[in-house]
Order: sequence, then structure tokens, then C-alpha cells
Amino acid sequence: NAGVMQNPRHLVRRRGQEARLRCSPMKGHSHVYWYRQLPEEGLKFMVYLQKENIIDESGMPKERFSAEFPKEGPSILRIQQVVRGDSAAYFCASTGAASYGYTFGSGTRLTVV
Amino acid sequence: AQSVSQHNHHVILSEAASLELGCNYSYGGTVNLFWYVQYPGQHLQLLLKYFSGDPLVKGIKGFEAEFIKSKFSFNLRKPSVQWSDTAEYFCAVTWNTDKLIFGTGTRLQVFP
Repeated sequence: NAGVMQNPRHLVRRRGQEARLRCSPMKGHSHVYWYRQLPEEGLKFMVYLQKENIIDESGMPKERFSAEFPKEGPSILRIQQVVRGDSAAYFCASTGAASYGYTFGSGTRLTVV
Repeated sequence: AQSVSQHNHHVILSEAASLELGCNYSYGGTVNLFWYVQYPGQHLQLLLKYFSGDPLVKGIKGFEAEFIKSKFSFNLRKPSVQWSDTAEYFCAVTWNTDKLIFGTGTRLQVFP
């Protein structure tokens, strides 16, 4: 019973490139949440998705960031034209349909050089 | 806006000392409360959670937390810390919805 799988674990991008972060929720979980953790800071909510729907994107920057959770496949957090300030750890969590049992993935550490 | 406050940013203790980390949240209706731990370089692990019932919650690794509704608090405690408890601790809350809001975290260092 695999947990929440995030890949890659580490991602290095040059300024201006695109970053794609993947999250496969736990088996049976249909709700996915993305959080960003900047150095020396807590986790900030970015977006909440269910299959094929964005439920709450109040924490997403208005530009360059997008997220999806297609019917098939993992959830993707996409950052276009990355800047140094995007360097952070990005964590994904999943829950079941009426569950408050959040399970977190190991995160993707993005470094923009 | 709903918020979670952790007032202790950095706590340094010797082994066997007692620990209490503060967590306060803003009013906003029905809450579910969580404490997570993050060891260096690792992902978040759930220590304990409160949904309803007994306000004193027991978690893993000897941790416990007390929900005090009148104070909007959910402080984390451990009677005797160990060097292996060195980590960052996050309080998190949901209000009526599934979205977890985190505090800024408390970094705990335990010296032998």
C-alpha cells in the first residue's frame, strides 16, 4: 500500500525553464493538496484538487503556476519560467473522500540556478 | 483570514527536560487540529490529531496535546525529550473544510 509518491525528489532548473512536479496520491484517495515550504518557513497552502477539478487555488501565485489532476495519472504542479524565488520544497498531500487523514509525500526540492 | 500561530520559533532543551510547544488558532467554527513533525531532510509525519471527544490527545513517540477551546489553543507536550526528538514541529488546523493551514513551525534542538 504505497503512500503518496512525489517525483522527482530533487529538481534543478535554470532561470526561465519550466518545472514539472508530480504527485501520485495514495490508493483510494481522490483529493490532492499542494504546499510550498520556503527555507525557514512553514508550509503554505497552494491548491486543492479533486479528479479533473480545481477546488481551491487561493494560494497559487497568479502567474506562471498551474496545477492539474487528470482523470488518469498523477497530479502535476507546473511552474513556467522559473525564478530563484521559486526555490523551495513542494509537498503534496492526499486524503480520501470524507477523510481527514492527510498523508504527505516526501516532497520535491526545487532549486533554481 | 484564518491563521495558526506558533509562538516558539526555536526551542533548545537538554535530554530529559519537559517540552511544551504552543499553538493558537483563530476563531472560525468547527476545527480539526493536528501536530506534525519533520525530521531533517524528511517529509511530514503525523504526531497526533484531534477531531472531537477527549480534549487530551495521545500521539506517537510519547507526545500528547490538549485542546482548550476557550483559549483557542492546542499545545503539544512531552514529559521527557530525547535527542532523537530534534526536529521541526508544525501545528495545523482545518476549519469546516479540508484545507490544512499550518503554523510557521517550531524548531526543537535537544542536546545530550
